Amino acid sequence: DGGITQSPKYLFRKEGQNVTLSCEQNLNHDAMYWYRQDPGQGLRLIYYSQIVNDFQKGDIAEGYSVSREKKESFPLTVTSAQKNPTAFYLCASSFLQGLSANYGYTFGSGTRLTVV
Amino acid sequence: GQQVMQIPQYQHVQEGEDFTTYCNSSTTLSNIQWYKQRPGGHPVFLIQLVKSGEVKKQKRLTFQFGEAKKNSSLHITATQTTDVGTYFCAAKGETSGSRLTFGEGTQLTVNP
Repeated sequence: DGGITQSPKYLFRKEGQNVTLSCEQNLNHDAMYWYRQDPGQGLRLIYYSQIVNDFQKGDIAEGYSVSREKKESFPLTVTSAQKNPTAFYLCASSFLQGLSANYGYTFGSGTRLTVV
Repeated sequence: GQQVMQIPQYQHVQEGEDFTTYCNSSTTLSNIQWYKQRPGGHPVFLIQLVKSGEVKKQKRLTFQFGEAKKNSSLHITATQTTDVGTYFCAAKGETSGSRLTFGEGTQLTVNP
């Protein structure tokens, strides 16, 4: 079955450590996105990529880094520079937007990151 | 960047009552999408609206896009306990590329 996979589901990090969250999709989607969700709040865009080897900052990119070396993969690194990294991280993918009704995002099941 | 306001933030209803959430933008939108996130889950795409004044239905759910393409609503008729979750609108501006800006969501609870 086609889908988008995030791993790990839960992640604990010590302060001062970098950590990388995995996101893989086999939907042949062109674009991939990383969002952060804090309890009871909406989704805030961290980074997105519309094509391999290219990505753009979202609204809250500081303290995060990404790469897009393959169409299927868009890993997110939470660096020690991120002041408050404890959150629910959601990866999504989509075809590039058009007028088709099928251009919604497909989300992974998320990674819950806790800094200890 | 694009901003989208969504109200109400919370809504508690008795099973069988109707529910509506509203989404507003100060700028004209290219399209708007709606998502549902169950408690502990991830957002799931429901629908996309593209045309001015468009109305779409999915069983008990009715989605509308305003004539000026600056607002949208989701109405659920006769809520059921399975409707529990947070409903998000997500908007694409006319120069946004593929990125969406999400509203803050409306968290719906349904009392049986």
